[in-house]
Amino acid sequence: GAVVSQHPSWVICKSGTSVKIECRSLDFQATTMFWYRQFPKQSLMLMATSNEGSKATYEQGVEKDKFLINHASLTLSTLTVTSAHPEDSSFYICSARKRGENSNQPQHFGDGTRLSIL
Amino acid sequence: EDQVTQSPEALRLQEGESSSLNCSYTVSGLRGLFWYRQDPGKGPEFLFTLYSAGEEKEKERLKATLTKKESFLHITAPKPEDSATYLCAVLASGGSYIPTFGRGTSLIVHP
Repeated sequence: GAVVSQHPSWVICKSGTSVKIECRSLDFQATTMFWYRQFPKQSLMLMATSNEGSKATYEQGVEKDKFLINHASLTLSTLTVTSAHPEDSSFYICSARKRGENSNQPQHFGDGTRLSIL
Repeated sequence: EDQVTQSPEALRLQEGESSSLNCSYTVSGLRGLFWYRQDPGKGPEFLFTLYSAGEEKEKERLKATLTKKESFLHITAPKPEDSATYLCAVLASGGSYIPTFGRGTSLIVHP
């Protein structure tokens, strides 16, 4: 178990549009979800942490008004990139922590979303 | 500040040629070290967790070891399907309970 699904897997859109990425835990309840961004040959950079039913906690340097995160249920978190620009093009990956698991245990990752802004 | 450094950045091996990947870390206290495999265009796939120096974990051709300063991922007789990027992540004590990732080692195994 512990499957995390991301949708879409790939999206291309025009500069100025908003894009929503979904992250779902398919077979477990996720008390915490994490959103990462990964540039080519770079490490995963944590953008924000979201707990179900509460506001997301953003890492330093991440604009919360640009990257809107909603974690409305124990199985779904969404990341909306508002007014996207070419510099927002990246690989966005979500991960989830299963209810009952502590921080010493590995996160469960989705397969990522490739975002390309033209 | 917690730091995780992986080396080499890239590694090319012939099929059957064993080698090791390194993950050096600087943290105030180690709660756990994770190894992941990441295929192109995919999310990380969990391999191992190590919690204390001297601990070893093994899975098929992979073996992970841990000391107080670094971890090694040993690959024995690799096959082309082992080609991937291997990521190391360190969870520090007294911190945010979120692991810090290294940049990864890109491994290519030639047939």
